[in-house]
Amino acid sequence: KQEVTQIPAALSVPEGENLVLNCSFTDSAIYNLQWFRQDPGKGLTSLLLIQSSQREQTSGRLNASLDKSSGRSTLYIAASQPGDSATYLCAVTNQAGTALIFGKGTTLSVSS
Amino acid sequence: GAVVSQHPSWVICKSGTSVKIECRSLDFQATTMFWYRQFPKQSLMLMATSNEGSKATYEQGVEKDKFLINHASLTLSTLTVTSAHPEDSSFYICSAPYPGRRDEQFFGPGTRLTVL
Repeated sequence: KQEVTQIPAALSVPEGENLVLNCSFTDSAIYNLQWFRQDPGKGLTSLLLIQSSQREQTSGRLNASLDKSSGRSTLYIAASQPGDSATYLCAVTNQAGTALIFGKGTTLSVSS
Repeated sequence: GAVVSQHPSWVICKSGTSVKIECRSLDFQATTMFWYRQFPKQSLMLMATSNEGSKATYEQGVEKDKFLINHASLTLSTLTVTSAHPEDSSFYICSAPYPGRRDEQFFGPGTRLTVL
């Protein structure tokens, strides 16, 4: 059974710092991996999607990497801003069109 | 980008009543939609897979007679919480994979259900 773990559970940093969020999954046979952002009481915003054949994806200040063989992904946030404060969720699918399996998330707080 | 809507965004009901939540894909067709539940400080847990034109598939531990799912068209899935109880209070959120974008999943904004 696929399990997704995210470390750390919470992170507080001052504005401007670069930071890394970690995600690991137990079954390396994934179809794709997505990183989401969730603001308190809100739905999910898709940040980046990495196909199993890809190694990384970038969007603005965000960079996500995937090491499928070791079952790990990282989300790198450059020059963090207070507006980045949210919970970041990592999720994988094992097959095309199937449901996502989520980690518990990392709650990020960026202070000004 | 692809848009998924949910209605209502929040609902408060009395114990024993039924509540219907709608999930719509606004600019694409979704033969499959997923329903998740999120308790406070917890992650999203899959409840069921909604399949257009056929019965939903429920995850272990989810009562199919309590959480009725109907996927009557390619753009609409509904979740009805029957005889709701306070322990059903949660954040319900749906998603749909977008076929034209490598099955990237798009989520609705969620529905906050509070059962008194």
